[in-house]
Amino acid sequence: AAGVIQSPRHLIKEKRETATLKCYPIPRHDTVYWYQQGPGQDPQFLISFYEKMQSDKGSIPDRFSAQQFSDYHSELNMSSLELGDSALYFCASSSGGQETQYFGPGTRLLVL
Amino acid sequence: GNSVTQMEGPVTLSEEAFLTINCTYTATGYPSLFWYVQYPGEGLQLLLKATKADDKGSNKGFEATYRKETTSFHLEKGSVQVSDSAVYFCALIEPLGYNLFFGTGTRLTVIP
Repeated sequence: AAGVIQSPRHLIKEKRETATLKCYPIPRHDTVYWYQQGPGQDPQFLISFYEKMQSDKGSIPDRFSAQQFSDYHSELNMSSLELGDSALYFCASSSGGQETQYFGPGTRLLVL
Repeated sequence: GNSVTQMEGPVTLSEEAFLTINCTYTATGYPSLFWYVQYPGEGLQLLLKATKADDKGSNKGFEATYRKETTSFHLEKGSVQVSDSAVYFCALIEPLGYNLFFGTGTRLTVIP
């Protein structure tokens, strides 16, 4: 079965640079979620989109923005990167009205 | 507010031992409860879920029962295998919510 696809899988950036993470949900899923998992930490909710509209917002820094496109894929844009942004970024998707979120493999971001 | 508390790890067991990982929660409503598993270097995989009180979720020999009276969702397996070595996360989501609240994770190591 098709799963959530995230790209890139690994990314190395320097401080103050920008990064764009992409997420392709499971086919026919209309809701996308972004989570950040620091080293040894539990995943923290950043933001979600349902039918291309922001549906909820968590602890997402103002330096980050995200959107969902007409084909339901989503992009997380991160600017003015800081060392503390180094983490594993997960995208998850679900079908509207369903609570079960299916996670992608994650993008590991390292900020030097 | 919403929160999930898991027993601290790491947990080390011999193969074929019985596993219990405790999870208790605090929620404002009647949440759905989940166990996710994260194998080394991989993303989060849904292991099992329960959506209402007294529901039992089960998968791959793992079980957890939604106990409203004790606000618990303990994970159990009768006989663990080396391949079960991973980090296990308990999580909850409120009805109609988008934000999965995770526990801190419990690292399980199974030795032959």
